[in-house]
Amino acid sequence: EAGVAQSPRYKIIEKRQSVAFWCNPISGHATLYWYQQILGQGPKLLIQFQNNGVVDDSQLPKDRFSAERLKGVDSTLKIQPAKLEDSAVYLCASSPRETQYFGPGTRLLVL
Amino acid sequence: SQQGEEDPQALSIQEGENATMNCSYKTSINNLQWYRQNSGRGLVHLILIRSNEREKHSGRLRVTLDTSKKSSSLLITASRAADTASYFCATDEEYGNKLVFGAGTILRVKS
Repeated sequence: EAGVAQSPRYKIIEKRQSVAFWCNPISGHATLYWYQQILGQGPKLLIQFQNNGVVDDSQLPKDRFSAERLKGVDSTLKIQPAKLEDSAVYLCASSPRETQYFGPGTRLLVL
Repeated sequence: SQQGEEDPQALSIQEGENATMNCSYKTSINNLQWYRQNSGRGLVHLILIRSNEREKHSGRLRVTLDTSKKSSSLLITASRAADTASYFCATDEEYGNKLVFGAGTILRVKS
């Protein structure tokens, strides 16, 4: 089966610019997650969707980050405006139950 | 916040040797999972152990869980150069399949 797809793979922007990431989960997976992974650290959950509803967004910096899941399938994560500390890898994952399946991630560098 | 703390932070061994990584956590859990991340890529699920299980095997992997000590260990036997990666434990604390990752152990297997 096809895995979790993410795009773009790399993005370089200047601070205060905006950026968007896209994720296509594995077909049939109801739950979708966005994680932020800063270099040298483990992934940190930003937001969790169940179908197209938000389950948990407690660690999402809502003043600059937003996310949506279209029709319970694809999802986009947006940062506006970006800060230097947003430089990280943004990982998307989906799951049918307990095990999560991760995409390759988008590496963001904010200059 | 990070729940799991892996130990050691880094480990370097020769091919054929066994590698042991430990994970400690703070709160009650439903299950604990181990993931592997190769350089610059997404995470791959390795094994899941439930709170009522004490030991689990999968190929060359052996995972133990001690809920009284709030700790888990991952043993990789007969290591290979391809096992070189970062290994993360992740705990599922409550309901809803929300994982909290540790900072990871970097394993280097020298051939």
